[in-house]
Amino acid sequence: DTEVTQTPKHLVMGMTNKKSLKCEQHMGHRAMYWYKQKAKKPPELMFVYSYEKLSINESVPSRFSPECPNSSLLNLHLHALQPEDSALYLCASSQEREIGNQPQHFGDGTRLSIL
Amino acid sequence: GDSVTQMEGPVTLSEEAFLTINCTYTATGYPSLFWYVQYPGEGLQLLLKATKADDKGSNKGFEATYRKETTSFHLEKGSVQVSDSAVYFCALSDPWDYNTDKLIFGTGTRLQVFP
Repeated sequence: DTEVTQTPKHLVMGMTNKKSLKCEQHMGHRAMYWYKQKAKKPPELMFVYSYEKLSINESVPSRFSPECPNSSLLNLHLHALQPEDSALYLCASSQEREIGNQPQHFGDGTRLSIL
Repeated sequence: GDSVTQMEGPVTLSEEAFLTINCTYTATGYPSLFWYVQYPGEGLQLLLKATKADDKGSNKGFEATYRKETTSFHLEKGSVQVSDSAVYFCALSDPWDYNTDKLIFGTGTRLQVFP
């Protein structure tokens, strides 16, 4: 069983809808990540939060809006998405960056389909 | 920039065969190296890691040795099972680059094991 929980597992939405993806971890990790993964491709980093502050934004379009309400939760708010945004969205977490390099722990993802 | 190169897939094997998936890397510093596995419909799971030269990571019968002289981190297993069928990603990160927590992924190698 994964220690990073993502909801929902599947989401179908129209291009005018607003929805949110949720991610939760209770491992005491202070870094959390959003990735986008297209079929047969490796994950692509979107955002990194460190100590609840956004530290990396990989030039992601503004129709994706991340939020970190507390150290255990990470949201990704979606609005006016395009069909090419259909993908598997993965959340990950890791211990504090300053400890040195720690592996990232991934959730099972939300499979998003844009109609 | 840093990069990871993996062998093209799919790799197709019979049960109990020996597995090797090649991975080589390019990095300016002293990266940490990882193998992640992704089973169908799931997120990524950390399989094993190595943080310095000559370290051997091992888990569930899989092994990989950090070879600085050949910049390689090949994944091996002595006897594969049908349940090992998945996509395997080699990845690196630079623990001394405090500006980013990026995992650099290879393109992934699909393994198919038949009875």
